[in-house]
Amino acid sequence: GAVVSQHPSWVICKSGTSVKIECRSLDFQATTMFWYRQFPKQSLMLMATSNEGSKATYEQGVEKDKFLINHASLTLSTLTVTSAHPEDSSFYICSVNREAGFGANVLTFGAGSRLTVL
Amino acid sequence: GNSVTQMEGPVTLSEEAFLTINCTYTATGYPSLFWYVQYPGEGLQLLLKATKADDKGSNKGFEATYRKETTSFHLEKGSVQVSDSAVYFCALSQTNFGNEKLTFGTGTRLTIIP
Repeated sequence: GAVVSQHPSWVICKSGTSVKIECRSLDFQATTMFWYRQFPKQSLMLMATSNEGSKATYEQGVEKDKFLINHASLTLSTLTVTSAHPEDSSFYICSVNREAGFGANVLTFGAGSRLTVL
Repeated sequence: GNSVTQMEGPVTLSEEAFLTINCTYTATGYPSLFWYVQYPGEGLQLLLKATKADDKGSNKGFEATYRKETTSFHLEKGSVQVSDSAVYFCALSQTNFGNEKLTFGTGTRLTIIP
């Protein structure tokens, strides 16, 4: 199956700094990647859909100026958390859809990136 | 809107015990239903899926049946192993003009004791 790699897997930063998380699709050219966020003991929440060569589509309530998404190639999408604050501490997960089609959505996930903002 | 409610964990069982993790959903129309599993240190992986009512998804000894009348998709396994220890997520998908999204439950952590 598809392999999705995220980097870094764990990052600690100071409040006010920006952090970039990379998501790579290693064996599949993905025109679309998805970014999720997971709080402890809570569900994965879709943040945005990253579209290669165009602007990302953000879910309601997600600040696009706070969470910058760049999908510059078919194998790489980046999520930048700008001016991070402690409340941004979370587990960020990307995924690739390998089986597009009505009612057959199957995602391959990266292992996630844990962000801790001090 | 769509939602998924699954059994709260953590769940701890002895090896070879019977497993049930409950999952119910709320959705309009006819969603597809999924179980994903997350092993320690790894990304979520699709465990099984069902795309229409009465379908049974199965994989690695796990099964779940799409029950539209009870809006449920409970995960079962007859005899669990230590290697089944992981977090299990129930999810549904309802395409929206090609912008496919998954709605997840909160996840259930399963620990199997030898």
